[in-house]
Amino acid sequence: SQTIHQWPATLVQPVGSPLSLECTVEGTSNPNLYWYRQAAGRGLQLLFYSVGIGQISSEVPQNLSASRPQDRQFILSSKKLLLSDSGFYLCAWSESGGLGAYNEQFFGPGTRLTVL
Amino acid sequence: GEDVEQSLFLSVREGDSSVINCTYTDSSSTYLYWYKQEPGAGLQLLTYIFSNMDMKQDQRLTVLLNKKDKHLSLRIADTQTGDSAIYFCAETDSGAGSYQLTFGKGTKLSVIP
Repeated sequence: SQTIHQWPATLVQPVGSPLSLECTVEGTSNPNLYWYRQAAGRGLQLLFYSVGIGQISSEVPQNLSASRPQDRQFILSSKKLLLSDSGFYLCAWSESGGLGAYNEQFFGPGTRLTVL
Repeated sequence: GEDVEQSLFLSVREGDSSVINCTYTDSSSTYLYWYKQEPGAGLQLLTYIFSNMDMKQDQRLTVLLNKKDKHLSLRIADTQTGDSAIYFCAETDSGAGSYQLTFGKGTKLSVIP
């Protein structure tokens, strides 16, 4: 069966410090991978998605970046955190289906980031 | 861009039915989903409906789709305290080859014992 892991679970970082959040998926190959941010009262915002190694699409311009160094590994980074980066970060994966595919996304447990 | 709207809060008494509503703008939506998020956790798919259906029932859950009005609802029968969570409506236009889901802001369901 497939599983998705995220770490760390919680993180408190000062403004201006770097960030690295990691997400890994097991039990599937060539998944589509997603990073979302959930800020209080603002629902889910898609930040990045990836359909393959080294292929990253950015949905929202910001000081965050994403990388996919391996098929089932997705990393969210920042060189300098801002206060507004605080939130709950969720990684998700889906099968790499084609046209008309049923795109259920499976979510990880999330990382709670607080920037002080 | 496409938009999905939900009311933010709903409060019901234990044992009553809950109805969570959602409207969307994408007339090309192929699948519509309901996800549940318990406090401090990720999202879990509850159910989904294909756009050529108008109703789907799964145990205590009933999904109704009015494609003409672009309105989706989730009914939870005999609501329990364990149903307290945030419920997200989402849609995708997979007919265009899109992998992305567009989510609503979520409806926080509070169940009063």
